[in-house]
Amino acid sequence: DIQMTQSPSTLSASVGDRVTITCRASQSISPWLAWYQQKPGEAPKLLIYKASSLQSGVPSRFSGSGSGTEFTLTISSLQPDDFATYYCQHYSGFPWTFGQGTKVEIK
Amino acid sequence: QVQLVESGGGVVQPGGSLKLSCAASGFTFSGYGMHWVRQGPGKGLEWVAFIRNDESSKYYVESVKGRFTISRDKSNNTLYLQMNSLRLEDTAVYYCVKDDPVFSYWGQGTLVTVSS
Repeated sequence: DIQMTQSPSTLSASVGDRVTITCRASQSISPWLAWYQQKPGEAPKLLIYKASSLQSGVPSRFSGSGSGTEFTLTISSLQPDDFATYYCQHYSGFPWTFGQGTKVEIK
Repeated sequence: QVQLVESGGGVVQPGGSLKLSCAASGFTFSGYGMHWVRQGPGKGLEWVAFIRNDESSKYYVESVKGRFTISRDKSNNTLYLQMNSLRLEDTAVYYCVKDDPVFSYWGQGTLVTVSS
Protein backbone atom coordinates (compact mmCIF):
# COMPACT_ATOMS: atom_id res chain seq x y z
CA ASP A 1 0.00 0.00 0.00
CA ILE A 2 1.11 3.57 -0.68
CA GLN A 3 1.76 5.58 2.49
CA MET A 4 1.21 9.33 2.47
CA THR A 5 3.18 11.43 4.98
CA GLN A 6 2.42 15.11 5.55
CA SER A 7 4.51 17.68 7.34
CA PRO A 8 4.13 19.53 9.54
CA SER A 9 1.21 18.12 11.55
CA THR A 10 0.41 21.58 12.90
CA LEU A 11 1.37 24.97 11.57
CA SER A 12 0.91 28.32 13.33
CA ALA A 13 0.73 31.29 10.99
CA SER A 14 -0.59 34.84 10.69
CA VAL A 15 -2.90 36.41 8.14
CA GLY A 16 -0.80 37.37 5.13
CA ASP A 17 1.85 34.69 5.67
CA ARG A 18 3.02 32.38 2.91
CA VAL A 19 2.33 28.81 4.01
CA THR A 20 3.77 25.58 2.63
CA ILE A 21 2.67 22.03 3.43
CA THR A 22 4.60 19.00 2.20
CA CYS A 23 3.33 15.55 1.31
CA ARG A 24 5.53 12.54 0.57
CA ALA A 25 4.35 9.30 -0.99
CA SER A 26 6.05 5.96 -0.35
CA GLN A 27 6.23 5.37 -4.12
CA SER A 28 5.69 7.40 -7.26
CA ILE A 29 2.08 8.48 -7.74
CA SER A 30 2.38 11.22 -10.36
CA PRO A 31 0.15 12.91 -11.23
CA TRP A 32 -2.60 11.43 -9.05
CA LEU A 33 -2.23 13.68 -6.02
CA ALA A 34 -5.02 15.81 -4.55
CA TRP A 35 -5.28 18.34 -1.72
CA TYR A 36 -8.39 18.89 0.39
CA GLN A 37 -9.38 21.52 2.95
CA GLN A 38 -11.62 20.61 5.87
CA LYS A 39 -13.19 22.89 8.44
CA PRO A 40 -14.74 21.62 11.70
CA GLY A 41 -18.12 20.00 11.17
CA GLU A 42 -17.85 20.13 7.38
CA ALA A 43 -17.04 17.66 4.63
CA PRO A 44 -13.63 17.97 2.95
CA LYS A 45 -13.42 20.30 -0.03
CA LEU A 46 -11.24 19.59 -3.06
CA LEU A 47 -8.63 22.31 -3.69
CA ILE A 48 -6.05 20.80 -6.06
CA TYR A 49 -6.08 17.73 -8.33
CA LYS A 50 -3.42 16.16 -10.57
CA ALA A 51 -0.84 17.70 -8.23
CA SER A 52 -1.12 21.24 -9.60
CA SER A 53 -4.57 21.81 -11.17
CA LEU A 54 -6.76 24.28 -9.29
CA GLN A 55 -10.33 23.11 -8.75
CA SER A 56 -12.96 25.47 -10.15
CA GLY A 57 -13.95 28.16 -7.66
CA VAL A 58 -10.87 27.79 -5.47
CA PRO A 59 -8.97 31.07 -4.90
CA SER A 60 -5.74 31.48 -6.85
CA ARG A 61 -3.72 31.97 -3.65
CA PHE A 62 -3.77 28.16 -3.43
CA SER A 63 -1.28 26.29 -5.60
CA GLY A 64 0.14 22.80 -5.82
CA SER A 65 3.41 21.51 -7.16
CA GLY A 66 5.59 18.44 -7.21
CA SER A 67 5.96 15.11 -8.93
CA GLY A 68 6.99 11.55 -8.27
CA THR A 69 6.87 11.21 -4.50
CA GLU A 70 7.17 14.80 -3.23
CA PHE A 71 4.39 17.35 -3.41
CA THR A 72 3.66 20.77 -1.94
CA LEU A 73 0.58 22.84 -1.21
CA THR A 74 1.25 26.57 -0.98
CA ILE A 75 -1.04 29.33 0.22
CA SER A 76 0.55 32.54 -1.03
CA SER A 77 -1.11 34.92 1.44
CA LEU A 78 -3.05 33.28 4.28
CA GLN A 79 -6.58 34.60 4.75
CA PRO A 80 -8.86 34.25 7.80
CA ASP A 81 -11.01 31.72 5.90
CA ASP A 82 -7.96 29.47 5.36
CA PHE A 83 -7.54 28.35 8.96
CA ALA A 84 -8.46 24.69 8.60
CA THR A 85 -7.00 21.21 8.28
CA TYR A 86 -5.46 20.17 4.96
CA TYR A 87 -5.09 16.61 3.64
CA CYS A 88 -3.17 15.19 0.72
CA GLN A 89 -4.39 12.03 -0.98
CA HIS A 90 -3.24 9.73 -3.73
CA TYR A 91 -5.96 8.55 -6.10
CA SER A 92 -3.86 6.34 -8.37
CA GLY A 93 -5.94 3.37 -7.32
CA PHE A 94 -6.77 0.86 -4.62
CA PRO A 95 -6.26 1.39 -1.78
CA TRP A 96 -6.77 5.15 -1.81
CA THR A 97 -4.92 6.75 1.13
CA PHE A 98 -4.78 10.15 2.79
CA GLY A 99 -2.04 11.94 4.65
CA GLN A 100 -2.58 12.39 8.37
CA GLY A 101 -3.51 16.06 7.94
CA THR A 102 -1.96 19.45 8.65
CA LYS A 103 -3.83 21.82 10.92
CA VAL A 104 -3.23 25.48 10.12
CA GLU A 105 -3.77 27.53 13.27
CA ILE A 106 -3.81 31.23 14.03
CA LYS A 107 -0.49 32.44 15.45
CA GLN B 1 -25.72 20.23 -9.35
CA VAL B 2 -24.27 17.12 -7.77
CA GLN B 3 -25.87 16.22 -4.45
CA LEU B 4 -25.01 13.33 -2.15
CA VAL B 5 -27.16 12.85 0.94
CA GLU B 6 -26.23 10.19 3.48
CA SER B 7 -28.60 8.68 6.02
CA GLY B 8 -28.87 5.70 8.33
CA GLY B 9 -26.32 6.60 10.99
CA GLY B 10 -27.04 6.14 14.67
CA VAL B 11 -25.97 4.48 17.90
CA VAL B 12 -25.38 0.72 17.86
CA GLN B 13 -23.86 -1.73 20.31
CA PRO B 14 -20.63 -3.58 19.57
CA GLY B 15 -21.38 -6.58 17.38
CA GLY B 16 -24.45 -4.89 15.93
CA SER B 17 -25.35 -3.93 12.38
CA LEU B 18 -26.28 -0.77 10.53
CA LYS B 19 -27.00 0.06 6.90
CA LEU B 20 -26.04 3.45 5.51
CA SER B 21 -27.62 4.97 2.40
CA CYS B 22 -26.48 7.73 0.09
CA ALA B 23 -29.00 9.32 -2.28
CA ALA B 24 -27.29 10.71 -5.37
CA SER B 25 -28.62 13.33 -7.77
CA GLY B 26 -27.39 15.84 -10.35
CA PHE B 27 -25.32 13.37 -12.36
CA THR B 28 -25.65 10.05 -14.18
CA PHE B 29 -25.26 7.75 -11.19
CA SER B 30 -24.76 4.62 -13.30
CA GLY B 31 -21.72 6.18 -14.98
CA TYR B 32 -19.54 6.64 -11.91
CA GLY B 33 -17.82 4.62 -9.25
CA MET B 34 -18.60 5.56 -5.66
CA HIS B 35 -16.66 5.52 -2.39
CA TRP B 36 -17.30 5.53 1.33
CA VAL B 37 -14.78 7.48 3.44
CA ARG B 38 -14.89 7.78 7.23
CA GLN B 39 -13.46 10.04 9.90
CA GLY B 40 -13.22 9.02 13.53
CA PRO B 41 -13.69 11.65 16.25
CA GLY B 42 -10.70 14.00 16.15
CA LYS B 43 -8.98 11.83 13.55
CA GLY B 44 -8.04 11.99 9.89
CA LEU B 45 -9.76 10.70 6.78
CA GLU B 46 -9.82 6.98 6.02
CA TRP B 47 -11.02 5.48 2.76
CA VAL B 48 -13.36 2.55 3.48
CA ALA B 49 -14.83 1.05 0.32
CA PHE B 50 -15.28 1.53 -3.45
CA ILE B 51 -17.70 0.11 -6.00
CA ARG B 52 -17.35 0.46 -9.76
CA ASN B 53 -20.18 2.00 -11.76
CA ASP B 54 -21.20 -1.41 -13.12
CA GLU B 55 -20.62 -3.23 -9.79
CA SER B 56 -17.96 -5.36 -11.49
CA SER B 57 -15.45 -4.68 -8.72
CA LYS B 58 -15.62 -3.80 -5.06
CA TYR B 59 -12.69 -2.89 -2.81
CA TYR B 60 -12.40 -2.54 0.96
CA VAL B 61 -9.86 -1.29 3.48
CA GLU B 62 -8.37 -4.27 5.30
CA SER B 63 -9.98 -3.41 8.65
CA VAL B 64 -13.55 -3.82 7.34
CA LYS B 65 -13.13 -6.76 4.96
CA GLY B 66 -15.64 -9.49 5.70
CA ARG B 67 -17.74 -7.15 7.88
CA PHE B 68 -18.84 -4.33 5.51
CA THR B 69 -20.51 -4.66 2.11
CA ILE B 70 -20.81 -1.84 -0.42
CA SER B 71 -23.64 -1.98 -2.95
CA ARG B 72 -25.66 0.29 -5.21
CA ASP B 73 -29.12 0.48 -6.77
CA LYS B 74 -29.25 2.21 -10.13
CA SER B 75 -33.06 2.20 -10.14
CA ASN B 76 -33.15 4.74 -7.31
CA ASN B 77 -29.62 6.23 -7.60
CA THR B 78 -28.60 5.08 -4.14
CA LEU B 79 -25.32 3.83 -2.67
CA TYR B 80 -25.31 1.60 0.39
CA LEU B 81 -22.91 0.40 3.06
CA GLN B 82 -24.02 -2.61 5.09
CA MET B 83 -21.98 -2.71 8.29
CA ASN B 84 -22.01 -5.89 10.40
CA SER B 85 -20.05 -6.97 13.49
CA LEU B 86 -19.46 -3.34 14.37
CA ARG B 87 -16.57 -2.47 16.66
CA LEU B 88 -15.86 0.52 18.88
CA GLU B 89 -13.21 1.65 16.38
CA ASP B 90 -15.84 1.90 13.61
CA THR B 91 -17.24 5.00 15.34
CA ALA B 92 -16.95 7.78 12.76
CA VAL B 93 -18.67 10.14 10.40
CA TYR B 94 -19.20 8.25 7.14
CA TYR B 95 -19.11 10.20 3.89
CA CYS B 96 -20.19 9.03 0.45
CA VAL B 97 -18.00 10.36 -2.36
CA LYS B 98 -18.30 10.44 -6.15
CA ASP B 99 -15.31 9.03 -8.02
CA ASP B 100 -14.22 11.52 -10.69
CA PRO B 101 -11.61 9.83 -10.21
CA VAL B 102 -10.55 12.54 -7.79
CA PHE B 103 -12.89 12.91 -4.81
CA SER B 104 -14.65 16.03 -6.12
CA TYR B 105 -18.02 15.67 -4.44
CA TRP B 106 -18.72 14.63 -0.87
CA GLY B 107 -21.94 14.23 1.07
CA GLN B 108 -22.42 15.94 4.41
CA GLY B 109 -21.76 12.72 6.30
CA THR B 110 -23.69 10.54 8.72
CA LEU B 111 -22.49 9.73 12.23
CA VAL B 112 -22.14 6.13 13.37
CA THR B 113 -21.49 5.59 17.07
CA VAL B 114 -20.62 2.14 18.35
CA SER B 115 -21.06 2.10 22.09
CA SER B 116 -22.19 -0.22 24.83
